Amino acid sequence: GAGVSQSPSNKVTEKGKDVELRCDPISGHTALYWYRQSLGQGLEFLIYFQGNSAPDKSGLPSDRFSAERTGGSVSTLTIQRTQQEDSAVYLCASSLAGGGNQPQHFGDGTRLSIL
Amino acid sequence: EDQVTQSPEALRLQEGESSSLNCSYTVSGLRGLFWYRQDPGKGPEFLFTLYSAGEEKEKERLKATLTKKESFLHITAPKPEDSATYLCAVQARSNDYKLSFGAGTTVTVRA
Repeated sequence: GAGVSQSPSNKVTEKGKDVELRCDPISGHTALYWYRQSLGQGLEFLIYFQGNSAPDKSGLPSDRFSAERTGGSVSTLTIQRTQQEDSAVYLCASSLAGGGNQPQHFGDGTRLSIL
Repeated sequence: EDQVTQSPEALRLQEGESSSLNCSYTVSGLRGLFWYRQDPGKGPEFLFTLYSAGEEKEKERLKATLTKKESFLHITAPKPEDSATYLCAVQARSNDYKLSFGAGTTVTVRA
């Protein structure tokens, strides 16, 4: 079956511009996660959505970052007024439900480069 | 704060040369320890979940083990297609959806 789909796969933009990254989770998965992977570093948790519950935004690095999930499915991560330190791979994952019994399945990410 | 340290950072193996990767962790109440494989330009691919000390899981040439402080990923008689970055992550009982990842071990297997 189809896995987690992310778009665009690559994004190059100028410092100060806003960007939107999209994630389409595996059908039937209620939990959705965003992570960031910087060169040479481990994946960093950003945000978690579970069903209709309020999201856990504790990993968002600044108020320039926001995310939403519409209709319990597709999610969009928005970065406003991008900075060079925002350059990274942004990975989305989904799981059948939240919690430790369910492995998270990842998309191939969006490579974001800020000039 | 949960911490995960993987060693070595890089490992070069000859085809058929077995070896082990280490994942040391500090977490306040382990919910689960996860191993992923990541190929260049791809997202992490789930391999195993381990829940308690003494547990072992196997998949083809890979075997994961868990103690109270660390996990090992053993690669037996590796093939070039086993070349990848292997990521370890922990999940705490207090926050049982967030994964805290190590930086990974990049394995290169030469034919």
